Amino acid sequence: QKEVEQDPGPLSVPEGAIVSLNCTYSNSAFQYFMWYRQYSRKGPELLMYTYSSGNKEDGRFTAQVDKSSKYISLFIRDSQPSDSATYLCAMSATGGFKTIFGAGTRLFVKA
Amino acid sequence: DGGITQSPKYLFRKEGQNVTLSCEQNLNHDAMYWYRQDPGQGLRLIYYSQIVNDFQKGDIAEGYSVSREKKESFPLTVTSAQKNPTAFYLCASSHGRQVTSREQYFGPGTRLTVT
Repeated sequence: QKEVEQDPGPLSVPEGAIVSLNCTYSNSAFQYFMWYRQYSRKGPELLMYTYSSGNKEDGRFTAQVDKSSKYISLFIRDSQPSDSATYLCAMSATGGFKTIFGAGTRLFVKA
Repeated sequence: DGGITQSPKYLFRKEGQNVTLSCEQNLNHDAMYWYRQDPGQGLRLIYYSQIVNDFQKGDIAEGYSVSREKKESFPLTVTSAQKNPTAFYLCASSHGRQVTSREQYFGPGTRLTVT
């Protein structure tokens, strides 16, 4: 079993839809949770960074962490065609050094 | 502009040849990393470095080598011992000497094809 599981998609939605992207994990020591966006043939860029449980909002993006369920989510409101990309979740533990990445979910937002 | 550069963007090599991928950063970051990305898999850590002249193996270091002679530079050599070298290679860096720094900044990647 992988430490981090992420549905690869693809996920296709119409412009303006609310998108929900999710990851599950098995290591209860994870405390730091990140979401990266990766456009085709480009390097990932950090979108959101959350410590421990709770929600964090930045513009159209909301990151949510539920440590009791070992489940994290990224919500995108009013999705745009420019949001079409692969979204990678990533997480790491306090005191540990490694960041574990999910395989990524491909998102297509249709105009 | 501050950032990470990787060159070349595309690289083609014959089997049995060593090849070196370049990674340079001007973010004044202490820590640098090399990842490999294959379809359907997460990023896998090859090597990382916390400070100049020091580096550590990641999860899949076999067949790879690195050097860190300057803070700004962290080149990766893919040797002929690497069984399946065709992949997308990503370099990243982060603040401070603690590799527990969570926010990693990535370069644009190098796509290596070995035939």
